[in-house]
Amino acid sequence: QKEVEQNSGPLSVPEGAIASLNCTYSDRGSQSFFWYRQYSGKSPELIMFIYSNGDKEDGRFTAQLNKASQYVSLLIRDSQPSDSATYLCAVIYSGAGSYQLTFGKGTKLSVIP
Amino acid sequence: DAMVIQNPRYQVTQFGKPVTLSCSQTLNHNVMYWYQQKSSQAPKLLFHYYDKDFNNEADTPDNFQSRRPNTSFCFLDIRSPGLGDAAMYLCATSRDRQPDGYTFGSGTRLTVV
Repeated sequence: QKEVEQNSGPLSVPEGAIASLNCTYSDRGSQSFFWYRQYSGKSPELIMFIYSNGDKEDGRFTAQLNKASQYVSLLIRDSQPSDSATYLCAVIYSGAGSYQLTFGKGTKLSVIP
Repeated sequence: DAMVIQNPRYQVTQFGKPVTLSCSQTLNHNVMYWYQQKSSQAPKLLFHYYDKDFNNEADTPDNFQSRRPNTSFCFLDIRSPGLGDAAMYLCATSRDRQPDGYTFGSGTRLTVV
């Protein structure tokens, strides 16, 4: 069974600090990796996606992918209270023509002013 | 703005009384998905339509059905809701199977009484 694992948290960081969120996945055939942010009672919104090993930066966000270790992470620099949310890691397994997103349970981040 | 719209935002239904949730999109995406998300859990894919082709996940209960009368609309029918079906139901769309193209609606929160 394909699984996406995240530490549920909560992860608390002070305002201005770097928040580090981690995710592991079970299927080596996974091709695409996503980070979604979900505020309480709201739907997920895409923050970043990454396909290749290494780092991808977008503003205060950096996604890191290591396919050999089956590990993907999200760094949030200069964390703000508005970043407080649940962060969902999602993976696309592209076997047999199937391209559906499989989500982890999410890590709850709390940024303390 | 092109978007994915779910109605209603909140739905209260009685135990065993059929209920229908709706999703519409102006993106002209040909793939539409229904996810179920329970509190503090990962969104779980129920089924998806690729154009008119219906794809059911193996563990989706028979109690859940879906209809897609045209490209723009997709419905989730719960034939006999149980207390365990209370959840947020998320509709998402994508263009073909492009992995960076998931757009989520705002979700419908279903309560079963």
